[in-house]
Amino acid sequence: DAKTTQPNSMESNEEEPVHLPCNHSTISGTDYIHWYRQLPSQGPEYVIHGLTSNVNNRMASLAIAEDRKSSTLILHRATLRDAAVYYCILRDRAGGTSYGKLTFGQGTILTVHP
Amino acid sequence: DVKVTQSSRYLVKRTGEKVFLECVQDMDHENMFWYRQDPGLGLRLIYFSYDVKMKEKGDIPEGYSVSREKKERFSLILESASTNQTSMYLCASSDRVDRGYTFGSGTRLTVV
Repeated sequence: DAKTTQPNSMESNEEEPVHLPCNHSTISGTDYIHWYRQLPSQGPEYVIHGLTSNVNNRMASLAIAEDRKSSTLILHRATLRDAAVYYCILRDRAGGTSYGKLTFGQGTILTVHP
Repeated sequence: DVKVTQSSRYLVKRTGEKVFLECVQDMDHENMFWYRQDPGLGLRLIYFSYDVKMKEKGDIPEGYSVSREKKERFSLILESASTNQTSMYLCASSDRVDRGYTFGSGTRLTVV
């Protein structure tokens, strides 16, 4: 499985933008880039995913480098509720299968200060 | 929204007991997954299923089995629970690979 590398932790202040980086230098052409977050005592929550183009949704934006070897999750205005562990994961669509299992790394612990 | 429901939030079992963890999803997803999460080890895939009666081993299947008799239900079975199976167990489902997973809230299992 292709691997991702994320910083262990990051800090932000409330209402400021947060840029969470992820390196995936061995990404293949069939890998989707997924981001999940996990709040304390809860299961992971899907945030966003993309293949080649930048993506926006109500939770966040995903900026994907042109060579796809890195990506950045952008939280436009951090709130205290955004404090969580953020996981960047590659999901493989190759082989004609639909399941494309996710392999989680250690993620980035985001602390948001009031 | 897709809902993934795990039958128990907390469970305490004795060593050697047979344990069933149940997971139900309500959006007709083909794919279902069981993970366990431990401090310092992150989330690790135990088993997954991409269709009824189909199953595939994940990264740590030893000591576990699964059952998928109906599309909406995926059960994780600990044939003979041991203390090293004390963990948080998370179920997830998804449809196509270009969509996200939906996770349940987890079952915290303690084996004493």
